[in-house]
Amino acid sequence: AQSVSQHNHHVILSEAASLELGCNYSYGGTVNLFWYVQYPGQHLQLLLKYFSGDPLVKGIKGFEAEFIKSKFSFNLRKPSVQWSDTAEYFCAVNTGTASKLTFGTGTRLQVTL
Amino acid sequence: DAGVIQSPRHEVTEMGQEVTLRCKPISGHDYLFWYRQTMMRGLELLIYFNNNVPIDDSGMPEDRFSAKMPNASFSTLKIQPSEPRDSAVYFCASSSFGRTQETQYFGPGTRLLVL
Repeated sequence: AQSVSQHNHHVILSEAASLELGCNYSYGGTVNLFWYVQYPGQHLQLLLKYFSGDPLVKGIKGFEAEFIKSKFSFNLRKPSVQWSDTAEYFCAVNTGTASKLTFGTGTRLQVTL
Repeated sequence: DAGVIQSPRHEVTEMGQEVTLRCKPISGHDYLFWYRQTMMRGLELLIYFNNNVPIDDSGMPEDRFSAKMPNASFSTLKIQPSEPRDSAVYFCASSSFGRTQETQYFGPGTRLLVL
């Protein structure tokens, strides 16, 4: 079964700092990869997704992620974070033939002014 | 589209009582998922349905939990009897294979507190 690891549990950054959140998965076959964001008190919202094609995926609000197949990674990046990016970020994966999503444990991002 | 609708948004109950959570998926979606989110365990998939049929219920914690999907537009998650350790936020999500390329859309969640 696939699994997802998010090694950064809690990240604190100042506004305008650059962000990179790690995500690694374990599955040898075709995968679909997702990043979801959960703002305080709200539900999960899709930030971006990768299915095929260009491994550099651009999402909403200036976020992007790069799929590196050889490293089984799908790290999330943003060049300059804002206070409003304070949220919890979840990486998720499913295989090409199943609808079941496996989520990582999440990374709590706190952006200070 | 109104998105995934869940009710109630908040539920406070006493230990031993029956709790029923409700979900209306996005129209046309053929997959429905129930998740539980706690500080200790993060986001856990409890069960999911395809075309109203339960496909994988391996995440359901115990027999006190049951889920049904009587039709394409409605699902329930029931806890009977409830216990304090069931306190969590319960999310419902839906998706449509092919049409949305497996993207799951989440509802606002039901925050359950069992006293």
